[in-house]
Amino acid sequence: DTGVSQDPRHKITKRGQNVTFRCDPISEHNRLYWYRQTLGQGPEFLTYFQNEAQLEKSRLLSDRFSAERPKGSFSTLEIQRTEQGDSAMYLCASSLAGGAKNIQYFGAGTRLSVL
Amino acid sequence: GENVEQHPSTLSVQEGDSAVIKCTYSDSASNYFPWYKQELGKGPQLIIDIRSNVGEKKDQRIAVTLNKTAKHFSLHITETQPEDSAVYFCAASREYSSASKIIFGSGTRLSIRP
Repeated sequence: DTGVSQDPRHKITKRGQNVTFRCDPISEHNRLYWYRQTLGQGPEFLTYFQNEAQLEKSRLLSDRFSAERPKGSFSTLEIQRTEQGDSAMYLCASSLAGGAKNIQYFGAGTRLSVL
Repeated sequence: GENVEQHPSTLSVQEGDSAVIKCTYSDSASNYFPWYKQELGKGPQLIIDIRSNVGEKKDQRIAVTLNKTAKHFSLHITETQPEDSAVYFCAASREYSSASKIIFGSGTRLSIRP
């Protein structure tokens, strides 16, 4: 499977704990995005990387959230001191910038439940 | 701020009939409008897209129309089939811009009645 891969698929944690999610983009894609999707809503943009540089962060990304893409390949999204309001699906997408199209391809997501 | 509104939130049609989903966007700099289909437990999958230099695009049973002046765009599915049941999202983006994030609508849950 050469699509976007996310791990884990599901994460249950207690309030106050830290969690980390991983995203492996399509191998030749240089852009990587994180979105959050709550029940019954569309995905909301959180942040994106071009190669290893984090170029934009949404106001939704509080200082408890941090994302990295150290070698311009996979990315991690960490949430510190989780709150019940962090419960959502966290989606990763990747694209190839600079070409004629900038289509974003999504992974299956990591569903986070904070108890 | 940037916003995409989508209607209806739920839609039920008889198998074989057509389904239409409508969206409006606020960012006049948007020039790329993808439509995504999301099935239960999966991430959104691109089904069709349209760029601002065209007014209509068709791919088999799916067509999209764009009215850039009115900032409206629509998805039309003809001859609906049970496998069309899913949540559909319209979206808008500034392609070729450093701000390449996608702004999604709130989704339409489409149900096809047998």
